[in-house]
Amino acid sequence: GDSVTQMEGPVTLSEEAFLTINCTYTATGYPSLFWYVQYPGEGLQLLLKATKADDKGSNKGFEATYRKETTSFHLEKGSVQVSDSAVYFCALSDSGGYQKVTFGIGTKLQVIP
Amino acid sequence: DVKVTQSSRYLVKRTGEKVFLECVQDMDHENMFWYRQDPGLGLRLIYFSYDVKMKEKGDIPEGYSVSREKKERFSLILESASTNQTSMYLCASSFVSTPSTDTQYFGPGTRLTVL
Repeated sequence: GDSVTQMEGPVTLSEEAFLTINCTYTATGYPSLFWYVQYPGEGLQLLLKATKADDKGSNKGFEATYRKETTSFHLEKGSVQVSDSAVYFCALSDSGGYQKVTFGIGTKLQVIP
Repeated sequence: DVKVTQSSRYLVKRTGEKVFLECVQDMDHENMFWYRQDPGLGLRLIYFSYDVKMKEKGDIPEGYSVSREKKERFSLILESASTNQTSMYLCASSFVSTPSTDTQYFGPGTRLTVL
């Protein structure tokens, strides 16, 4: 079946450091790929997405590129802020119409001043 | 502004009780989902529904049932709560799209403790 692999963390960075959170996936067909973010005490919200190979999703300074050849969708940000502290989930949705999504375990990011 | 609401943020129940978790969305979405979130396991799909009165089992349906009598409301039912069902429960909704590119919108979650 479909699966998503990401490190659990926590990842601790100083403010203005470069962020990379790795995500690899296994899927049949042509999934869409997502990064969701969960701030403390809240539900998940979409950060960015890419729907086909070589697409780049971007939002709030975060970027991720859909790499079919390496089955990866790594999240990057050039300069993190304390307000980026959250849990980040990589996810994929199958190619059917029901929007069934498979999530990774989530990576906790802590940014210190 | 899109909104998914859940009936309680925190809930404490006793073993053996019947527990109802309610979720309401105001976006006219066809799809609705129930997940549980546990440390080290991420989100796991319990059940989903793609239409009124329709339901499909997710990855961990044992011990749970669901009800969808109206398009905007999706209920998760723990028939006889057990301590291993202590968890954070998240509801989500989305449009049907082919291929599946649409965002899932999440509620704030219900933290359930079963004593």
